[in-house]
Amino acid sequence: GENVEQHPSTLSVQEGDSAVIKCTYSDSASNYFPWYKQELGKRPQLIIDIRSNVGEKKDQRIAVTLNKTAKHFSLHITETQPEDSAVYFCAAYGDYKLSFGAGTTVTVRA
Amino acid sequence: SQTIHQWPATLVQPVGSPLSLECTVEGTSNPNLYWYRQAAGRGLQLLFYSVGIGQISSEVPQNLSASRPQDRQFILSSKKLLLSDSGFYLCAWSGGGASAYEQYFGPGTRLTVT
Repeated sequence: GENVEQHPSTLSVQEGDSAVIKCTYSDSASNYFPWYKQELGKRPQLIIDIRSNVGEKKDQRIAVTLNKTAKHFSLHITETQPEDSAVYFCAAYGDYKLSFGAGTTVTVRA
Repeated sequence: SQTIHQWPATLVQPVGSPLSLECTVEGTSNPNLYWYRQAAGRGLQLLFYSVGIGQISSEVPQNLSASRPQDRQFILSSKKLLLSDSGFYLCAWSGGGASAYEQYFGPGTRLTVT
């Protein structure tokens, strides 16, 4: 089955700086890669996704890049703000289901 | 628009007691449905998923079971709870066909087994 690894497990950044989270996947057949943000005590929320036929996608301050050859994808958050503090999960889709990374706890310092 | 409901929101149950959690989706038909568990401070563990009525795929063999008695209803059950069953239970849905990728989570049920 699919195996998704996510790094780093924790990330502390100064407000206004950028944050980058990286994920690798094992199954070359995976073709959809979403990112979820989970605030404390809440449900995970889909914030951005990318399909295997696209190399990069942006939505305001967040962007995702995908390298199919190397089987890795990354989340980039620019101009971080305190409300970006949360746990972020990457995932890869195959066989009707998502395989999730272990999560990255992002803390934005004021 | 689509809405996903879960209940109850919180639950405290003694070890050995039964469990029934319910999830329903509105505003769509024939969704794919998923049950996840999240232990405190941990990641998302897929427990079961269903691509149609009466069809259940189990990811983790344990003392839990799932059923899908109606198109937009997904139930998670246990006959006897263990302490290790404590966690945040999340139901999720996705559309069928070309919309099968994007999964949306319900508000969750926080279960504490004492």
